[in-house]
Parts: sequence; C-alpha cells; structure tokens
Amino acid sequence: EAQVTQNPRYLITVTGKKLTVTCSQNMNHEYMSWYRQDPGLGLRQIYYSMNVEVTDKGDVPEGYKVSRKEKRNFPLILESPSPNQTSLYFCASSLRGISYEQYFGPGTRLTVT
Amino acid sequence: SQQGEEDPQALSIQEGENATMNCSYKTSINNLQWYRQNSGRGLVHLILIRSNEREKHSGRLRVTLDTSKKSSSLLITASRAADTASYFCATENFGNEKLTFGTGTRLTIIP
Repeated sequence: EAQVTQNPRYLITVTGKKLTVTCSQNMNHEYMSWYRQDPGLGLRQIYYSMNVEVTDKGDVPEGYKVSRKEKRNFPLILESPSPNQTSLYFCASSLRGISYEQYFGPGTRLTVT
Repeated sequence: SQQGEEDPQALSIQEGENATMNCSYKTSINNLQWYRQNSGRGLVHLILIRSNEREKHSGRLRVTLDTSKKSSSLLITASRAADTASYFCATENFGNEKLTFGTGTRLTIIP
C-alpha cells in the first residue's frame, strides 16, 4: 500500500531533550516536506527536500533540523525542544514537487513540557 | 506567512445540501490545491487547479478559480455525513517550492 508513515504518533517529552520524528514513504517520491499544525494558524511548512541531499527551509525552520540521506526517509530533528514546539506535525511527499498531489502521513502529536 | 484564507471559518449544513467554501490569496499563483482533513488526521488531496484553468470537477466536487479576484471556491454537492471535515486551500507561488496552506473551513454535515 502506498503510504507515508511517521513515528512516533504521540510523544510527550521535556524541554531540552533531543528527539527525532521519523518519516518514510514507499512511493519513490522525490519531494518530501514537514509541516506543523497549530490552532488558528493552519499548516506551516518547516523544511522541504527536493531530492536526496537537497533540503531547504520553509516558513518556520527555527529550532528544527532535517536530513535526506535516502530517498524514502526524511527525519525531523529537534535538538533542544521547547514548549512552543508543542504541535501536531505532518510529513508529506509528492512525486516531484509542490505541483503534484501531496501525500500526508498520519501526524505526530508532540507535547513539550 | 499565510497566503490562502478560507471563508467561512466554520459551516454547518443539512445532509443533502450543497456546501461552498471560498479561498482568497494575496499574490499570483501557479497552482491551487484543495485538501480535506478529518479530525486530527493527515490531509487528503482533493483537487488541483492550474492558474490557466477556471473550473474543475471531480465527482461531487467542483472547484473554480478566478485569478483576477485572487480567489477560489470549492463546492461539494449533495453533502453526506462523511464530508464532515476541515477543508484547506493551498497555493503554490512562483519562484519557490513551498506550498502555503490557509487556516481552513470546518464543515459539519448534520444528518
């Protein structure tokens, strides 16, 4: 089944404790991206990747890191999480970029205390 | 930065009625997409309309695009309870690879 998977789905952590949210797609998509969703603010893009080893900042990249060492994986790293990073995170992928249908993962609900 | 803004923010209608949601944006776009999100879940792509298209259909969905007014509308005909969800427009601007989402319209279908 074609899908985007994220892990973990739920995470509660403390300020400053490094964490990684994994994202994987099995559709051989070139484009992958991360979004955060907050009430009243909609979805905001954090980072995106056009292909392996090619990443770029979205609208809200501060406090986040990404890497794209393999085509299928695009992990989101929070080196020192803070409470303002409490949010619902979505990974998405598409065949070649934003002019194509975006396939979203199920989401990761992160709480930083 | 927000590009697309949906209107209304929330909409409740009776099952069987038509639902119309609007999206306005500020700068010229390449494409515009509509997505649906069931509560807390991942977004699902509904339809993509290109800047040189004026109308597009997919099943019970009809999307229009008016580039002169910088607006788009999503019409869902003969609504069903399963259409209860949030609907988002997303704009693709020239010159970058970022998709910018609006804040969404929360649609509730009353059985």
